[in-house]
This record gives sequence, structure tokens and C-alpha cells, in this order.
Amino acid sequence: EVQLVESGGGLVQPGGSLRLSCAASGFTFTSYWMSWVRQAPGKGLEWVANIKQDGSERYYVDSVKGRFTISRDNAKNSLYLQMNSLRAEDTAVYHCARHYYESSAFAPFDYWGQGTLVAVSS
Amino acid sequence: DIVMTQSPDSLAVSLGERATINCKSSHTVLYSSNNKNYLAWYQQKPGQPPKLLIYWASTRESGVPDRFSGSGSGTDFTLTISSLQAEDVAVYYCQQYYSTPPRFTFGPGTKVDIK
Repeated sequence: EVQLVESGGGLVQPGGSLRLSCAASGFTFTSYWMSWVRQAPGKGLEWVANIKQDGSERYYVDSVKGRFTISRDNAKNSLYLQMNSLRAEDTAVYHCARHYYESSAFAPFDYWGQGTLVAVSS
Repeated sequence: DIVMTQSPDSLAVSLGERATINCKSSHTVLYSSNNKNYLAWYQQKPGQPPKLLIYWASTRESGVPDRFSGSGSGTDFTLTISSLQAEDVAVYYCQQYYSTPPRFTFGPGTKVDIK
């Protein structure tokens, strides 16, 4: 059974940092692109970043470029999101998600984690 | 980036009646070399992560009831629930996965309720 379990969220002050983790199981992690998607309270979905199987390609939504870094550790079947210089508008539930097809970036997201809440407030 | 819009923002439909949600992209998501529309639909219920319903604009994900169908091509798409059930109350999002580099975008969502 495919499982994605996020952790690392919490309350942080503006300008602070957090590192989110996503533990993957039940599939060959090294075969899939992975993404982070966030959802602000009461708002819609926003794709944040994605990463190729070997980490050689990474893409970000403009609003987080230069502040967030997506990475993965294939030996640990884990995906990460390092978030620096956090702002109030980064407050959201952050989900990790698997791209549907092996080896392809251009795919919908077939499995999602439950998410971890990041709250940025003083 | 490709901008996705949806209409209406919300709708209320009687049980057993049809619900129709529209999605429009600012750029075509039809890839001419394979004639596929890079468009997906998701359902999200409160407190849950999104669930993939439809991909390639009209392919139903395994296990999704056949009352859900997707149609459209290019820039204009529709999700139809042919006979609304109580368990279909949710927010529905469209998403394009066409753009290169792969920076995917979602529509703002459409909330479906029972009238």
C-alpha cells in the first residue's frame, strides 16, 4: 500500500525556518517525481515545488523561489522541503504528492499525504 | 505560467440531478504530438487530501464511480456528475500538468453542495 506521511510542521515566527519531511512507502520511491502542494486555511490548492527521481531537476512556484528548497534522500525513501525566510502567507497545510507515472514529470498526482500544518505568526 | 479558472465558484444541486463544473486554461493543454490533454480533476472533502478523479481530461481513475465524467479539449473542460449523491459533496479542482518546465497549476476550486 502506497503511503506518504508528512512531518515537521509547526508554529514559526516570520523570518524563521522549518524543514518538512515526507516518508514514502509501498512503492519504488526512486522511480517517481515528487511534489509539494500547499493549501492555506480555507483556500485552494497551490503547487509549490517538484523534484526529479535523482534530484537533478527541481522547480518552484515563483512565490517561494530563493526561500524554499526541495530535496530527497532516495536511500531513506524521503522527500524534504526546507523553508527559510518564512512569511505569514506561507501559512498552510503542506502535502507531499506522487506523480502518477514512473519516470514522468508530466503527470497528475495519484497519491497524497494527509499534510502537515505550517503556521507563520509572531 | 498557465492560469486555470473555474466556474461556478459554487453550486447546489438536488440529489440525483446533474452537476456541471467548468474549467478554462489560459493556454492550450493539448499536446499535439500525442493528442492528449494534460488536464486532471480532483475531489477534496473536508479534512482530507485531494483525490484524483479524472486525468487526460476524460480518463476515470480506477475505483471512481462512472457518474463522474470529464470532457473538453484545448483550453475548455468540463467535469460532470451525472446523478449527484450525498457523498459527492466536496470541492472540485482542475489542474494542468502540461507546462514546461513542469510548474503545474490548479484552478481555484468549485464547491458542490446539496440543494
